[in-house]
Parts: sequence; C-alpha cells; structure tokens
Amino acid sequence: GDSVTQMEGPVTLSEEAFLTINCTYTATGYPSLFWYVQYPGEGLQLLLKATKADDKGSNKGFEATYRKETTSFHLEKGSVQVSDSAVYFCALSDRGSGNTGKLIFGQGTTLQVKP
Amino acid sequence: DAGVIQSPRHEVTEMGQEVTLRCKPISGHDYLFWYRQTMMRGLELLIYFNNNVPIDDSGMPEDRFSAKMPNASFSTLKIQPSEPRDSAVYFCASSYGTERVEETQYFGPGTRLLVL
Repeated sequence: GDSVTQMEGPVTLSEEAFLTINCTYTATGYPSLFWYVQYPGEGLQLLLKATKADDKGSNKGFEATYRKETTSFHLEKGSVQVSDSAVYFCALSDRGSGNTGKLIFGQGTTLQVKP
Repeated sequence: DAGVIQSPRHEVTEMGQEVTLRCKPISGHDYLFWYRQTMMRGLELLIYFNNNVPIDDSGMPEDRFSAKMPNASFSTLKIQPSEPRDSAVYFCASSYGTERVEETQYFGPGTRLLVL
C-alpha cells in the first residue's frame, strides 16, 4: 500500500542554519503531497502542498518540490528560526482506490532550533 | 470560519469511566477524521466519515471505541470503558474531498485525555 518515510529525528540546528528534512513516498497513481507542522500543544497545520510532479510548494520560507522520478518531497528552509521548532509531518493523499479523502502520514520529524 | 472545534480540550477521568469527545467540522466539509497521537505510536487514523457515513474504521483499537456522526456538523468519539492506555491526544480533522485540489485536512486543537 501507499506509504511515507521521513528522516529520523530529532534534528537540532542553530538559528540561521539551512534545513532539510527528507521525505520519500510509495504510491499508486498520482498523489498530492503535503507538509504539515505541529507546534507544541497544538494540532497539525498545513505548511505547504504540491498536487503534481515538478510543482513547488512554498510558505513561510519553507519549500518542497514534488519529484516523481525520485519519489521525494524534501522540505527545505534557507535560514531557520527558533520559532520553527516543531514537529514536521510529510503526507500523501491516498488515491490508490480513487479519491478516498484519506491522507497517509509519515512518522514526523522533530526540529529543535537553538539560539 | 472558526475552524475545527473540539471539546473538551482536556479530560481527566478514572479507569472504567465513559469518555465522550466531540467535534464540529468546518462548515461545508464532507470528510471527517478522528486521529490519536501518542509518543509511542505517533499519529494514528482511527476512523473517518464521508457525508456522515463511516468509511473506514479499521484503525479503531477495539470494541470499547465507537464513533458517530449524526449530522454534517457534529461527531463524537466515545470510549467505554476507558483504560489508562487510552491516554493520548485525540484530534479531529475535516476536509472537502470532492475536488482533488481540496484534499487538505484541517485539524482541530485536540483533546488531551488522561485516564488514571
């Protein structure tokens, strides 16, 4: 079945460092891809998404490009801030059986940014 | 829109008691999802509904868990009897799934459940 694999955390960076969180997926058909962020004590929020190959999603300085050839959707940010400390989830839309409306989530990657 | 609304935000109960979690999805959304999040198991999909009808409840842990959606603006997740291992954060999410571009799920703030 469809699945999402994220790099293990926690990822610890200093402020203004470059961030990459790897995400690869296995899917039938052409899923949409998502990054969600969860700040401490809160629910998940959509960070960015891409609906087709080569699309780039971007928001708040974060970017991710839908790479069909490598089945990847890596999250990047050029200069992280302490306020970016959170858990990041990669997800894909489960379209193996048509539009089920369901998302498949990765296990989450914790990012800690130190001042 | 107020977003997805969940109540209560925190619940502390004793083992054996019945617990009812409530969710109001975003108006107009036709999918509703219940998730559970723990440190050990991460984020788990318990059950989801489309147009108030349960589509997939394969994630519901056991018969102690039940979920209903009596109308488009309200859903409940009930645990009876509750056990300490049910302690977790329970999230409700909704989406408008009819059009492919609108697969985004919107999450509520969660209910933190502690069963003593």
